[in-house]
Amino acid sequence: DIQMTQSPSSLSASVGDRVTITCRASQSISTFLNWYQSKPGMAPQLLIYAASTLQSGVPSRFSGGGSGTDFTLTISSLQPEDFATYYCQQSYGTPITFGQGTRLEI
Amino acid sequence: QVQLQESGPGLMKPSQTLSLTCTVSGGSVSSGNYYWSWIRQHPGKGLEWIGYIYTSGRTYYNASLKSRTTISVDSSDNQFSLKLSSLTAADTAVYYCARVSGSKGYWYFDLWGRGSLVTVSS
Repeated sequence: DIQMTQSPSSLSASVGDRVTITCRASQSISTFLNWYQSKPGMAPQLLIYAASTLQSGVPSRFSGGGSGTDFTLTISSLQPEDFATYYCQQSYGTPITFGQGTRLEI
Repeated sequence: QVQLQESGPGLMKPSQTLSLTCTVSGGSVSSGNYYWSWIRQHPGKGLEWIGYIYTSGRTYYNASLKSRTTISVDSSDNQFSLKLSSLTAADTAVYYCARVSGSKGYWYFDLWGRGSLVTVSS
């Protein structure tokens, strides 16, 4: 199985901050990497697919980058609604695997 | 817009078989080039992909759960379902249904339900 490791596991930030979350794959996965936002009691939301393509309806302050084994999710200016947990996920190999999550808190 | 909603029992006993249903509203489970998937999240842990089914009925399962898992589609009720047998406490989790979109290997979960908590306890 391809292991996905996110860092940091948790992150404290303030409204207006620029934050970057990193995801590392245990082997090269090209750009078969997606990012999700999850809030308690709500349906998780797709933010980025194919490493850098913004999902329709997602604010442009979210951006993704990377290829091979190292990927980033950047939020350019944090908004109050962005405090949530973020997950990366690879679709290069089966089984599909997720990172352990990064909790973004105030 | 298309929405997904999980339903099923919240409490199960060890050795029983879990049955969960995901109802698709605002769209058809039979239309489009979509897979329909189940994912779970153990308490305080990350996400684990269980498997998915194509509109044709072809299924793909996580090898770690394959022997206990069945995913099926019911087009007449616009639903898809998960059965997980021989439950243990380790199967306690929030179970999500999700739609899979994409192509050429670029598969992503673009629509999710809110999740259904299943607790396995005697």
